[in-house]
Amino acid sequence: DQQVKQNSPSLSVQEGRISILNCDYTNSMFDYFLWYKKYPAEGPTFLISISSIKDKNEDGRFTVFLNKSAKHLSLHIVPSQPGDSAVYFCAASDSGGGADGLTFGKGTHLIIQP
Amino acid sequence: DSGVTQTPKHLITATGQRVTLRCSPRSGDLSVYWYQQSLDQGLQFLIQYYNGEERAKGNILERFSAQQFPDLHSELNLSSLELGDSALYFCASSAPGSVDTQYFGPGTRLTVL
Repeated sequence: DQQVKQNSPSLSVQEGRISILNCDYTNSMFDYFLWYKKYPAEGPTFLISISSIKDKNEDGRFTVFLNKSAKHLSLHIVPSQPGDSAVYFCAASDSGGGADGLTFGKGTHLIIQP
Repeated sequence: DSGVTQTPKHLITATGQRVTLRCSPRSGDLSVYWYQQSLDQGLQFLIQYYNGEERAKGNILERFSAQQFPDLHSELNLSSLELGDSALYFCASSAPGSVDTQYFGPGTRLTVL
């Protein structure tokens, strides 16, 4: 049973436009959410996170939105740049302390077109 | 560079063998996590250690074990290897008081022939 779902395996966006990556979760105990970016042959790189007490967190070009009632979060990248082309993973934690490790979605491959 | 190091980068071995993967966390981090990424399964949490003690277990097989040493580096031992154990193995670490944000190493690619 997949508790974190990223339903779009890939997404193509034109350079300069907004990229929106979506993530749904089923476990209502999740209270902390993270986005990671991964290039081939490298480990995941932490991008941005959000606690369940917030509905938005912004860091430069990256903004994460959390809709708890819909159990949905999204990552907005604006403007999109060629270096943003990578696989993006949504992850969630249910302990508040990371004691059970992170539960990851299967990723969305973002392709930024010139 | 996340500050988490993993060795070796690649490992090729045969079925039935045993291997050890090594991880050094970021300076000051007490928690170490191990994850497996196989082709169709995404990143799966295996096990967590905190300051030398096992803290949480995920989908870790009985053939796999781990430990964290007094200098906080960690080793993941995989034994009686099967073809299906071929995967990327990532180590991550997190800081005390901020354990939800985990920083990942570059991974070890294990190929079992």
